[in-house]
Order: sequence, then structure tokens, then C-alpha cells
Amino acid sequence: KAGVTQTPRYLIKTRGQQVTLSCSPISGHRSVSWYQQTPGQGLQFLFEYFSETQRNKGNFPGRFSGRQFSNSRSEMNVSTLELGDSALYLCASSFRGGVTSYNEQFFGPGTRLTVL
Amino acid sequence: SQQGEEDPQALSIQEGENATMNCSYKTSINNLQWYRQNSGRGLVHLILIRSNEREKHSGRLRVTLDTSKKSSSLLITASRAADTASYFCATLNSGYSTLTFGKGTMLLVSP
Repeated sequence: KAGVTQTPRYLIKTRGQQVTLSCSPISGHRSVSWYQQTPGQGLQFLFEYFSETQRNKGNFPGRFSGRQFSNSRSEMNVSTLELGDSALYLCASSFRGGVTSYNEQFFGPGTRLTVL
Repeated sequence: SQQGEEDPQALSIQEGENATMNCSYKTSINNLQWYRQNSGRGLVHLILIRSNEREKHSGRLRVTLDTSKKSSSLLITASRAADTASYFCATLNSGYSTLTFGKGTMLLVSP
């Protein structure tokens, strides 16, 4: 099976711009989660989508949004970029069939966003 | 907010030695997982231990879980230079479907 893919791998933007990142999960996986990783704050959960619905959301401002398509591919959008948004954005997919007692996640390589 | 806190923050050892990393967490959990990250890349799942398990092995990895102390440890035996990476513990909280990560332990294994 192909792994989780994220595009683009690197991105440079300027303050005030907006950006869209894309994630394609492993085939058959219906859950996609997004994380932000910075040296100062570590890995922080942004949101999770399952069957095109946002199920969980982390503590991030409304500038951060996402969506999931019927093929489980997901995008996240950050509007009005700030310098502090510079980070590695990681996407993870998992298979969630009904009530599960585990949640192994498979991560993509990440998109490194630099805001100037 | 961070749930797991790894200790130590950094660890430097020689090839062949064992490496032990600890993780503490705050709330009740469904399971605890360990991940590895090589130099700013994606995370790789290493091992998962459920809240009703006390110990688990996978190759050179041994994980223990003490729910009464809300702590876990990851032991890597006979370390190799290729084990150099950051290691994160992550908890799946009871009632939730997302993982909360600690800040990680940076492991350096010198040849």
C-alpha cells in the first residue's frame, strides 16, 4: 500500500497570505488528522476528519480550517498567515471501523511551511 | 496542551548500549503509543500498549506501562547508529479519538 502523501513538501509564504495543504491518506483509511509541529510547542493536534466530518478540533484560532473529501483526501487551510505559523504540518491517517480501542496513526512526511 | 512528558529531553549513548526513555501523563488513557521521528520528517509508529497491558515487546523494543503512576518507559536494546532520532510518547485519552503527544526525547547513538 502507498503511504500517506502530503503536498507540497515545502512552502514559503509571506505574512497575510493564505495557504492550502493537501493530504492523501492510505487507501481504505477514513480518518485524517492534522498536527502542527514547532520547536517551542512540539506536536499539537489541529483537527480530525472522518467521513467528511470534522470530529475533533484542537485549540487553534479560526484561521486554521480543514475539510475532507469523499475519497478521504483532506486539505487544511491557514488564512492571514502569521510568522508564528511557520512549522512542520503533519497529516496522519488511520482506519477507524466502528468502536476501536486503538488508534495507530500513519504519518505523512509533512509540509514545511515558512512564513516570512 | 501536552499530555505526555518525556524524560530525558536528550540522551547520548554508544552503539550497543541500551537506551531508556520515560513518559509521564496526566489523565486516564485508552492506550499509549511510541513514535520515532527522524530529523524533521514524519513520525513512524513503533509500538502501542493498551491501558490493561503492563509490558510489550517488539524486536529490540520493550515498553512498560504503569497506569497507577501514569508512566511508561521505552527501552531500546543493543542500540545502533540508525536509532538516532527523536522519540515521542502519545496518549489516546479515554473517550477521545485523538492522540496527545509529549515533547519527545532526542536520542543520539554514536558509532
